[in-house]
Amino acid sequence: NAGVTQTPKFQVLKTGQSMTLQCAQDMNHEYMSWYRQDPGMGLRLIHYSVGAGITDQGEVPNGYNVSRSTTEDFPLRLLSAAPSQTSVYFCASSYSGKRQGGTEAFFGQGTRLTVV
Amino acid sequence: SQQGEEDPQALSIQEGENATMNCSYKTSINNLQWYRQNSGRGLVHLILIRSNEREKHSGRLRVTLDTSKKSSSLLITASRAADTASYFCATDGGSNYKLTFGKGTLLTVNP
Repeated sequence: NAGVTQTPKFQVLKTGQSMTLQCAQDMNHEYMSWYRQDPGMGLRLIHYSVGAGITDQGEVPNGYNVSRSTTEDFPLRLLSAAPSQTSVYFCASSYSGKRQGGTEAFFGQGTRLTVV
Repeated sequence: SQQGEEDPQALSIQEGENATMNCSYKTSINNLQWYRQNSGRGLVHLILIRSNEREKHSGRLRVTLDTSKKSSSLLITASRAADTASYFCATDGGSNYKLTFGKGTLLTVNP
């Protein structure tokens, strides 16, 4: 199993450009999430999905769109990049694990995005 | 908002010593999790403790949870230089799909 795979690893965008960060998992996990990590801020939740066709906003959703057409893929779209979106982006997936009181999340290696 | 808050923000110790990191949170939880992040890499899950558990062990890791004080601690015994990393606590706020992370503790283990 590859686990959670994110592409690209690095990206430089100009202000106003759009792009899609890809995330794929091969563990058949129901839950998938996107986080951004800024220096001194820890990880903050952007959007999440509890299953194919179901998405919702997290703590910092503005400027980002998501969709979940399959269980495996959860792309994050930047509609019009801004310097404030310069960050490291992490995708994560997990089982629902409701009966067990929750389960661990598996993270991708991250995408380092710079908007100039 | 950052629900989990780790303390201290940075910790520097010698190899062989024990390292203790603390986490406080604000709302009810199903579980609390600890993750490690090596510089520039993704997060790796270390241990999960459920709200009805008080203590859990995994190798050199010991985690405690006090739900009455909304706090947790992570103890790493007999530290090694390879333990140098940032450590984050994360709470699920009752959902398991909306983890809220603290800002992390940067642990440096000097050889």
